[in-house]
Amino acid sequence: DVVLTQTPVSLLISLGGQASISCRSSQSLVHSNGNTYLHWYLQKPGQSPQLLIYQVSNRFSGIPDRFSGSGSGTDFTLKISRVEPEDLGVYYCLQRTHNPLTFGSGTKLEIK
Amino acid sequence: EVQLVESGGGLVQPGRSLKLSCAASGFTFSNYGMHWIRQAPTKGLEWVASISPSGGSTYYRDSVKGRFTISRDNAKSTLYLQMDSLRSEDTATYYCATDGIDYWGQGVMVTVSS
Repeated sequence: DVVLTQTPVSLLISLGGQASISCRSSQSLVHSNGNTYLHWYLQKPGQSPQLLIYQVSNRFSGIPDRFSGSGSGTDFTLKISRVEPEDLGVYYCLQRTHNPLTFGSGTKLEIK
Repeated sequence: EVQLVESGGGLVQPGRSLKLSCAASGFTFSNYGMHWIRQAPTKGLEWVASISPSGGSTYYRDSVKGRFTISRDNAKSTLYLQMDSLRSEDTATYYCATDGIDYWGQGVMVTVSS
């Protein structure tokens, strides 16, 4: 199975600051069709995960441009600029290039 | 608006069975594959099973193969997860999710304990 290693485990960011989360894969996430199926989610306390970014860098419907994704191959990054109180929660990366689909272990964002 | 509503969770003894349902609306259910994903208390997310749009193809994680069965009723826009021979390690919140893992239900809790 593909292993996704997320770092850091937790982040303490001031309001208005910037957060950066890394997701590294044990193998390339480029699908045979040329797409890279690496997504990012936020799970707010007591809620189900919500999709933020799909296929590395595409913001999902309704997601503000403070969230951005980048990367290629095995190395991916989620950046959150101008952090707001509602950004707190656990962030997960997911790959669905290879079966079975797998998740990173999560990064907890706390607000100072 | 896409909506996924899970039901059927609860407390069950080890070795017993439980069947989860996920009622879908807001999209053409029969056109999309679906997934079950679970999250043990205070833990991360774990894919459990997937099913093709027609229901003809199903996939499972190794730890549930032979015990869990994913199925669907496209006429009712409903996804199911039949869970047999339940173990304590199956205790989790179970979510249904759409094919692209873009929409999730609110989740249903399953607790396996004597």
